[in-house]
Amino acid sequence: AQTVTQSQPEMSVQEAETVTLSCTYDTSESDYYLFWYKQPPSRQMILVIRQEAYKQQNATENRFSVNFQKAAKSFSLKISDSQLGDAAMYFCAYSPFNTNAGKSTFGDGTTLTVKP
Amino acid sequence: EPEVTQTPSHQVTQMGQEVILRCVPISNHLYFYWYRQILGQKVEFLVSFYNNEISEKSEIFDDQFSVERPDGSNFTLKIRSTKLEDSAMYFCASSEQTGPPHFGNGTRLTVT
Repeated sequence: AQTVTQSQPEMSVQEAETVTLSCTYDTSESDYYLFWYKQPPSRQMILVIRQEAYKQQNATENRFSVNFQKAAKSFSLKISDSQLGDAAMYFCAYSPFNTNAGKSTFGDGTTLTVKP
Repeated sequence: EPEVTQTPSHQVTQMGQEVILRCVPISNHLYFYWYRQILGQKVEFLVSFYNNEISEKSEIFDDQFSVERPDGSNFTLKIRSTKLEDSAMYFCASSEQTGPPHFGNGTRLTVT
């Protein structure tokens, strides 16, 4: 079974600074998806960024980027120029590549605080 | 941008009652899911649904739970004989054959 581990229950960052959230996972599959979701206090689940395991290039979405290390099974999220609106719980998630790709396994989450 | 919609946003029910949570997935998506998040905990997969039948379910999804797609647009989760520990946020999601699940805004279920 796949597992996702987020070893940082809480992180904080100064506004405008950069922060990196860690995620490791375990799978025997070679093709899969990895995602980061943001959950603000409203408890919506907002997709931040996605990475296909077959792609070597790290995904980037504006201020959000990932460091995907397939051999190490590591998938960290870097938030640059942090903003107050980035404060939220962040979940790392794994999904199988083929059918049922939306069946995701989530980590325990990291609560990010942004200090003004 | 198309989105998954869930109703109601908040449901309060008494222990032992039955509740039905409703979802309208994104229209061209083929797979539908229910997830649960107990307050302060991780998001947990409950069930996936494809081609009008359950394709996979977790250990959590026991006989107390059922899902249905009663028409071409709605996707429902029924919880029978609710217990206090069923209090949680329930998320519906949908996806294409490949790709990330798109989540609705969730239904907060409170069992008293």
